Amino acid sequence: EAEVAQSPRYKITEKSQAVAFWCDPISGHATLYWYRQILGQGPELLVQFQDESVVDDSQLPKDRFSAERLKGVDSTLKIQPAELGDSAMYLCASSPRPQETQYFGPGTRLLVL
Amino acid sequence: QKEVEQNSGPLSVPEGAIASLNCTYSDRGSQSFFWYRQYSGKSPELIMFIYSNGDKEDGRFTAQLNKASQYVSLLIRDSQPSDSATYLCAARWAAGNKLTFGGGTRVLVKP
Repeated sequence: EAEVAQSPRYKITEKSQAVAFWCDPISGHATLYWYRQILGQGPELLVQFQDESVVDDSQLPKDRFSAERLKGVDSTLKIQPAELGDSAMYLCASSPRPQETQYFGPGTRLLVL
Repeated sequence: QKEVEQNSGPLSVPEGAIASLNCTYSDRGSQSFFWYRQYSGKSPELIMFIYSNGDKEDGRFTAQLNKASQYVSLLIRDSQPSDSATYLCAARWAAGNKLTFGGGTRVLVKP
């Protein structure tokens, strides 16, 4: 069964450092999502891509976060500089089209010290 | 602001009983609703979705939607210890594709 791949699975960094997360969606899925999930809360959408274009980044803290999906396949989410409050699970999800079911990857757990 | 609310729990149920989870949402423009299960430290996995008023059954799970009252519920019949997890309710609004999640309800099934 096809799955969304993410790496790394765990990342520990110090505040003010840069971190990057990678996501490879299910093959053929045009829509890709990055979520942040703080412990004890539900996931919150950071950015949504349709192919290589951003369609929603209203909740992305653009002063420190950036996301790209250059060829419309895999995607990278970057944080620079990391802050203590960025400690969370970063989840990638994909769907064939925007209105269809989203499938989540295993997530990257980030700890900022 | 569009919101989805869930009781954080924990909801403790004996093995074999029915677990009943509720979710309310703030905007009548909501189009579809999703229930995800999330084990501790893992990512959410889809259980089922519902678009229309009424009940939708899938195995031991039943989703119920009442758009007039703006709530959606999930029933888990014959609860098993393996059902112990956090259950996330999510809504998608008609105006866009964005999923808005509730905070989740933690369920504990005791043998």
